[in-house]
Amino acid sequence: AQSVSQHNHHVILSEAASLELGCNYSYGGTVNLFWYVQYPGQHLQLLLKYFSGDPLVKGIKGFEAEFIKSKFSFNLRKPSVQWSDTAEYFCAVFNAGGTSYGKLTFGQGTILTVHP
Amino acid sequence: GAVVSQHPSRVICKSGTSVKIECRSLDFQATTMFWYRQFPKQSLMLMATSNEGSKATYEQGVEKDKFLINHASLTLSTLTVTSAHPEDSSFYICSAAGRGRENIQYFGAGTRLSVL
Repeated sequence: AQSVSQHNHHVILSEAASLELGCNYSYGGTVNLFWYVQYPGQHLQLLLKYFSGDPLVKGIKGFEAEFIKSKFSFNLRKPSVQWSDTAEYFCAVFNAGGTSYGKLTFGQGTILTVHP
Repeated sequence: GAVVSQHPSRVICKSGTSVKIECRSLDFQATTMFWYRQFPKQSLMLMATSNEGSKATYEQGVEKDKFLINHASLTLSTLTVTSAHPEDSSFYICSAAGRGRENIQYFGAGTRLSVL
């Protein structure tokens, strides 16, 4: 069965610090990769996605992520966080082939708290 | 981006009653809708996938008679929690996707169900 693992449950940073949130998945087939953000009291929003091509993808609000196929990883980065980045971040993997096509599997989420 | 509306946002009910949650795609035709459940401090877990006009496909361990899903139109899916019990208390989230675009899901804001 496919699984997605996020390395940290809660990350606390000061404004302007750099951010890297780890995400690893276990699935050998074709995948689409996503990072979602959930601000307090709001719905999940798509930050960025990777389907194919350049493994370094850029998303909204200055976020980027790098797909490293050999490591089954899709880590999220931001060079300088802001207080408004305080939210919960979810990595997700979509089965794009095989018998489980169409299933989106989420990591357990990482809560990011940014202090002013 | 596409908008998915989920209603109600919060519901409190007595044990033994049934609760219906609605998920609407407001500005696109959602051929596929997904229902997730999120326990505190845990990830979103897919419960079922519904395609317009056909029976829902439930994930292993999800009771289809307990969680009734109807997807009668291209803009509306409903989840009914039948004979709810305190252990059904959770956060339920729906998402919607267009035809052939199941990898791009738009999420509702979720419904917090509390069963007394």
